[in-house]
Amino acid sequence: DGGITQSPKYLFRKEGQNVTLSCEQNLNHDAMYWYRQDPGQGLRLIYYSQIVNDFQKGDIAEGYSVSREKKESFPLTVTSAQKNPTAFYLCASSPSPGTVPRIDGYTFGSGTRLTVV
Amino acid sequence: AQSVTQLGSHVSVSEGALVLLRCNYSSSVPPYLFWYVQYPNQGLQLLLKYTTGATLVKGINGFEAEFKKSETSFHLTKPSAHMSDAAEYFCAVRIYGGSQGNLIFGKGTKLSVKP
Repeated sequence: DGGITQSPKYLFRKEGQNVTLSCEQNLNHDAMYWYRQDPGQGLRLIYYSQIVNDFQKGDIAEGYSVSREKKESFPLTVTSAQKNPTAFYLCASSPSPGTVPRIDGYTFGSGTRLTVV
Repeated sequence: AQSVTQLGSHVSVSEGALVLLRCNYSSSVPPYLFWYVQYPNQGLQLLLKYTTGATLVKGINGFEAEFKKSETSFHLTKPSAHMSDAAEYFCAVRIYGGSQGNLIFGKGTKLSVKP
């Protein structure tokens, strides 16, 4: 079955360390997204990509970086510049928005919980 | 500009009672609306969606939602709550020509079910 796989499920980061969260999808979706979730703050968009080799900053991109070298993969790196990285991170994908309205929602991965130790 | 507002960050009901989670949207074009559910430490799962046609939409786990254009609402209901319904619920509206993807999400409503 098609879906999105996020790994690892739990990740621990030391102060000053970069860590990379993996997101892979086999849904043939063009668009992929990274969200950060903190208690009571809903979903906040970090980065999104609508096509390979292109991505845009979301609302809270500072301290994060991404790449989109393959359609299936959209890894997120949490850099040492992110001062408060402890959170739950969600990856999602969807068919490309394009210019024609589509009725598809997003498909989400199961998340990665990052904790600073 | 499109937006979505969920009234109440926490809702608590007794097992067997009616569940009502409120969602209001703002959209200048006919909206596509979605409800997602998130169980602890998991991703979001689609409950139901409204695109066109019948305004009462049925989803998984006995949930349904009614699109009311005059009230710009898309409230989620379930006649009888079960303990397994305890989760966080997110309403979302499809945006057109958005600069940040397809969907705008509400801030979520956490549902607690008391025995």
